[in-house]
Amino acid sequence: AQKITQTQPGMFVQEKEAVTLDCTYDTSDQSYGLFWYKQPSSGEMIFLIYQGSYDEQNATEGRYSLNFQKARKSANLVISASQLGDSAMYFCAMRDPNFGNEKLTFGTGTRLTIIP
Amino acid sequence: DAGVTQSPTHLIKTRGQHVTLRCSPISGHKSVSWYQQVLGQGPQFIFQYYEKEERGRGNFPDRFSARQFPNYSSELNVNALLLGDSALYLCASNLEPRETQYFGPGTRLLVL
Repeated sequence: AQKITQTQPGMFVQEKEAVTLDCTYDTSDQSYGLFWYKQPSSGEMIFLIYQGSYDEQNATEGRYSLNFQKARKSANLVISASQLGDSAMYFCAMRDPNFGNEKLTFGTGTRLTIIP
Repeated sequence: DAGVTQSPTHLIKTRGQHVTLRCSPISGHKSVSWYQQVLGQGPQFIFQYYEKEERGRGNFPDRFSARQFPNYSSELNVNALLLGDSALYLCASNLEPRETQYFGPGTRLLVL
């Protein structure tokens, strides 16, 4: 079974600094997908970035990048030049390839607070 | 374009009652998934439907059921509500299986 571990329950970061949110995963499969979602206090899960296990380059989307280290089974999210609006919960998730469909397994999340 | 919509936004029920939650996917999306998010945890997978057929079910009791309609909207039904069913229920849609899932704002259910 897939497992996602996020070891940072909360982080405080100064505005405009870069921040790295940690995510490690456990799977015996060779083909899988990793996602990061942002959840503001409103509750909606906002898709940020995706990395496929066979992608040779780290994914980037604007200020978001994914530091993918396959051998270490880590998929850390890097947010550059943090903004006050980045304050939210952040979830790492893995798509279960054996499930045959769309099941996402989520970690417990990291609460990021940006300090002015 | 409109995103995933869910109704109602909030709901209060008492133990033993039944509840129906509704979800409309992004236009053109044929796959809908449901997740339960208990306070302080990540979302847990409940169901996935594609082309009106159940494609997957998580580790939830039979009190939970769902269906997808010809217009690809979906309903999640929960019978005999328990206090532990209090959670944020999230609906996600995607164009085809294995594409990125996009989530709605969720329905907050409180069971008293």
